[in-house]
Amino acid sequence: GAVVSQHPSRVICKSGTSVKIECRSLDFQATTMFWYRQFPKQSLMLMATSNEGSKATYEQGVEKDKFLINHASLTLSTLTVTSAHPEDSSFYICSARDFGHGTDTQYFGPGTRLTVL
Amino acid sequence: GEDVEQSLFLSVREGDSSVINCTYTDSSSTYLYWYKQEPGAGLQLLTYIFSNMDMKQDQRLTVLLNKKDKHLSLRIADTQTGDSAIYFCAEFSRSNDYKLSFGAGTTVTVRA
Repeated sequence: GAVVSQHPSRVICKSGTSVKIECRSLDFQATTMFWYRQFPKQSLMLMATSNEGSKATYEQGVEKDKFLINHASLTLSTLTVTSAHPEDSSFYICSARDFGHGTDTQYFGPGTRLTVL
Repeated sequence: GEDVEQSLFLSVREGDSSVINCTYTDSSSTYLYWYKQEPGAGLQLLTYIFSNMDMKQDQRLTVLLNKKDKHLSLRIADTQTGDSAIYFCAEFSRSNDYKLSFGAGTTVTVRA
């Protein structure tokens, strides 16, 4: 299957700092990527849809000024958690949509564990 | 709406078959997926099925789809300890703007 990478895999930061997470589709182009957040023992919560070359679409209740998304190329989307606070600590997972040639599938990255002290 | 429901836990003996069930509500679903998540990892796509199919088999995995009842199942034959994980059912429909709707996940525990 297609491969999606995330970097970093784990980050610990101080409260008030900003953290950038990268999501890359390694062997296909993705016009659409998604950012999810997952709390312990829970399912994934969609935060936003990232479209290449346009503004991200945020889900209800997700602060767009806090979670900045940039999808500058067909293989890279970034999520920046601005002025992070302990309540932002979570597991963040991205996915990339592989569409066409008879398929429409989201492939997921390995996730980024964010801990805000 | 897009509601996907799964049972939360399944315990199975090594070597037996596992069956994970899922129900969904969106009749316009076009694809249905099964993902596997191991501790601390992302989601791994296991298999998917088009909504116009009844069954799909891929090695040890068999997916059955009953579109009339909106019921999806994943059968894992000869379950191994490495199959212990959380399994998520997800549906995709264009009516939901290309977004996946996930179930809560079924935690499968394989015992020796």
